[in-house]
Amino acid sequence: QSALTQPASVSGSPGQSITISCSGTRSDFGGYNNVSWYQQHPQKAPKLIIYDVNKRPSGISDRFSGSKSGNTASLTISGLQAEDEAAYHCCSYTNSLTIYVFGSGTTVTVL
Amino acid sequence: EVDLVESGGGLVQPGGSLRLSCEASGFSFSNFWMSWVRQAPGKGLEWVANINQDGSEKFHVASVRGRFSISRDNAKNSLFLQMDRLRVGDTAVYFCARDLPGNSYGYEHWGLGTLVTVSS
Repeated sequence: QSALTQPASVSGSPGQSITISCSGTRSDFGGYNNVSWYQQHPQKAPKLIIYDVNKRPSGISDRFSGSKSGNTASLTISGLQAEDEAAYHCCSYTNSLTIYVFGSGTTVTVL
Repeated sequence: EVDLVESGGGLVQPGGSLRLSCEASGFSFSNFWMSWVRQAPGKGLEWVANINQDGSEKFHVASVRGRFSISRDNAKNSLFLQMDRLRVGDTAVYFCARDLPGNSYGYEHWGLGTLVTVSS
């Protein structure tokens, strides 16, 4: 099972909104709405920012939002800030023996 | 506060073995699915294996099936990954991660990771 497809990089200016896509097949998403997103700063552990497509864990800014349409999930960061510069990874629970599949990762640059 | 601390990484020759450990604290360990996720240098994340609360259900990604084995000791709040017949391609930082509770899916808490380097 291949990784979910994400753009290698996305950039934006402070205050702008950006959207990161995460595409796969129907089997990748397993027909479920179990997509999660992680933020990872260099040399740090990933941090959960979205789960179940559009839910935010406690303490995560509402500038982060998620959605899914068909076989593509998306993460939107609004009001982009310098601290948002990081790598972002999507992840889906599947209905195969590969329980979870991650995306290829997207580096966000704040210009 | 939830804390996950991995150990056991290091340099090993191809074909060798390592046993990773993850010590958990700050939550009721026996109530959660637990997973190992790895990240090769400069690459994305890859799910490796997960295990249910009592250890009766275990799943491994195809590339490690038959070589790696996940296990847990609830009495010691510990998660393990036995890695045999290691390959150069297994070189990565290995993270221990705790699943979300209930019917949600994803990793709510992560350790800092332990580096495994497979090289001759």
